[in-house]
Amino acid sequence: KAGVTQTPRYLIKTRGQQVTLSCSPISGHRSVSWYQQTPGQGLQFLFEYFSETQRNKGNFPGRFSGRQFSNSRSEMNVSTLELGDSALYLCASSPYLSGGSGTEAFFGQGTRLTVV
Amino acid sequence: AQSVAQPEDQVNVAEGNPLTVKCTYSVSGNPYLFWYVQYPNRGLQFLLKYITGDNLVKGSYGFEAEFNKSQTSFHLKKPSALVSDSALYFCAVRPVTGGGNKLTFGTGTQLKVEL
Repeated sequence: KAGVTQTPRYLIKTRGQQVTLSCSPISGHRSVSWYQQTPGQGLQFLFEYFSETQRNKGNFPGRFSGRQFSNSRSEMNVSTLELGDSALYLCASSPYLSGGSGTEAFFGQGTRLTVV
Repeated sequence: AQSVAQPEDQVNVAEGNPLTVKCTYSVSGNPYLFWYVQYPNRGLQFLLKYITGDNLVKGSYGFEAEFNKSQTSFHLKKPSALVSDSALYFCAVRPVTGGGNKLTFGTGTQLKVEL
């Protein structure tokens, strides 16, 4: 069974540009969550999508957005990039929207975004 | 709101010795607790979880963790460390009800196992 696939693995963008990252969850998983990992702030939750609807959102500005398609693949977009957006962006997939399920999340390898 | 504390930025241990990586948590209601490991430039790899039942849970690669409700702790342990265990370890919490699959992570503990 294939794992969580994130593309691209590495990205370099200029301040002010926008970027789109992609995540393909494990087959059959319907929940996709996104996290930002930086040395200063650690791992922070961005948002979660389930059945094409955003179910949870973290404390990030509106420049960060996402969506989920009918095949459960998800994209996140960051507009007007700032230097502080440089980070490892991790995607995690889960089969359910929790609801008492203790199922663990499975993470992709991440996309390393560098903003110059 | 939930939170996780990993009080040690780094833990050093000699190969063959037991290791402990500490984690305490705060959550409304009952928790699901997880340990993940991260190798350089890689994503997070699941090690083990506590859902309910036995306070001692066993996971991958010989790791185990002890859930202590009164002390709100979930320390990661291994009886005999290997050099290959050297990595960054994260503890995470999720409430049993509410919040979907949102995980709240600790700041991570760098484990260094030396010969």
